[in-house]
Amino acid sequence: EDQVTQSPEALRLQEGESSSLNCSYTVSGLRGLFWYRQDPGKGPEFLFTLYSAGEEKEKERLKATLTKKESFLHITAPKPEDSATYLCAVRNSNTGKLIFGQGTTLQVKP
Amino acid sequence: DADVTQTPRNRITKTGKRIMLECSQTKGHDRMYWYRQDPGLGLRLIYYSFDVKDINKGEISDGYSVSRQAQAKFSLSLESAIPNQTALYFCATSSLGGGASTDTQYFGPGTRLTVL
Repeated sequence: EDQVTQSPEALRLQEGESSSLNCSYTVSGLRGLFWYRQDPGKGPEFLFTLYSAGEEKEKERLKATLTKKESFLHITAPKPEDSATYLCAVRNSNTGKLIFGQGTTLQVKP
Repeated sequence: DADVTQTPRNRITKTGKRIMLECSQTKGHDRMYWYRQDPGLGLRLIYYSFDVKDINKGEISDGYSVSRQAQAKFSLSLESAIPNQTALYFCATSSLGGGASTDTQYFGPGTRLTVL
């Protein structure tokens, strides 16, 4: 069964304190791992897509990496505006459907 | 202007009422989706449509129906609302184009539905 597990569920950081969010997955044929950011009361905002193990993508203070079993979202020197819920999803290559994790809620304090 | 719009943004209704949520997009995408989001359960797929004549059930379609009125419009109906359908509902769109960003889903702002 396809499954996505994100950890931790919640993370509190001080401004400037770097950390990583984890997304572990099992899927019968991976056709993309997606990271989204979701602010309270808003829809998920697309961040990255990773397709193969070893691939990395960066955007400002965020860097996403991918292995055969998990993905990490590294946050370097976070700012309060990085506070949000970060969602991970994988696409099954057979069905084409996205399977979402439950998200990690990040709070960055000034 | 937003690429994916949803109406209404908030709705409170009573058990047994019929309700329709609407989604419109200006992204020119051919694929559209409806999800619901519940605390602790993440996003779950209700229905999806790959073009105007194609409608498919997702993992939690019971109690819901959809209509794809045009390439840009996809509506979700609750024929007889019940309290456990209280949730955040999101519409998403994607396009099976070429390149590395193939079929990335882009989400609307959501509709908060409360069924009393």
